[in-house]
Amino acid sequence: DSGVTQTPKHLITATGQRVTLRCSPRSGDLSVYWYQQSLDQGLQFLIQYYNGEERAKGNILERFSAQQFPDLHSELNLSSLELGDSALYFCASSVAGYDQPQHFGDGTRLSIL
Amino acid sequence: GESVGLHLPTLSVQEGDNSIINCAYSNSASDYFIWYKQESGKGPQFIIDIRSNMDKRQGQRVTVLLNKTVKHLSLQIAATQPGDSAVYFCAEQFGYGQNFVFGPGTRLSVLP
Repeated sequence: DSGVTQTPKHLITATGQRVTLRCSPRSGDLSVYWYQQSLDQGLQFLIQYYNGEERAKGNILERFSAQQFPDLHSELNLSSLELGDSALYFCASSVAGYDQPQHFGDGTRLSIL
Repeated sequence: GESVGLHLPTLSVQEGDNSIINCAYSNSASDYFIWYKQESGKGPQFIIDIRSNMDKRQGQRVTVLLNKTVKHLSLQIAATQPGDSAVYFCAEQFGYGQNFVFGPGTRLSVLP
């Protein structure tokens, strides 16, 4: 158990809809990262927050947004969903943002019908 | 659970043999590296890390080797067990504030 909690585990919705994925980092970790993993794809970095502030952006679509709250949990919002958004979405956390391993949750599997 | 990376390179080894998984990283300025293991239906699990001022680091049954000259990283697993079957990813980080870049992964299959 990594200590990172993601909810829900599975999410099924339709095109055009909006969903929110939630992540609780390990106790003491200040950084939260979001990744997307599709079939045949590696882990694609989306966005990082550190202690409530956005730290870095990767290949995140404009339809996607995230935030980190004062209690350090984070949410990833996906809107105007398309079939191609079907993927595993992982959250990871680390104590700081550099030179330390990220610890991953078990992901949210998003299926767009 | 649904498999990740259906078309990943696959390494098949006999149970009890040693495994070597290789990774070519992209940035010569990368200074921190991690190996992750991902089992079906789970998130990546940290195995071992190494910083660029080291060439080798050992853990329990695992060894990571770093060759900066050719930008190559390897993970050696001793006495491979069925529970080692998974997809293995290397990840590199270059510089403060930079995020990890993950390799495409290698599927390790342990044969009985």
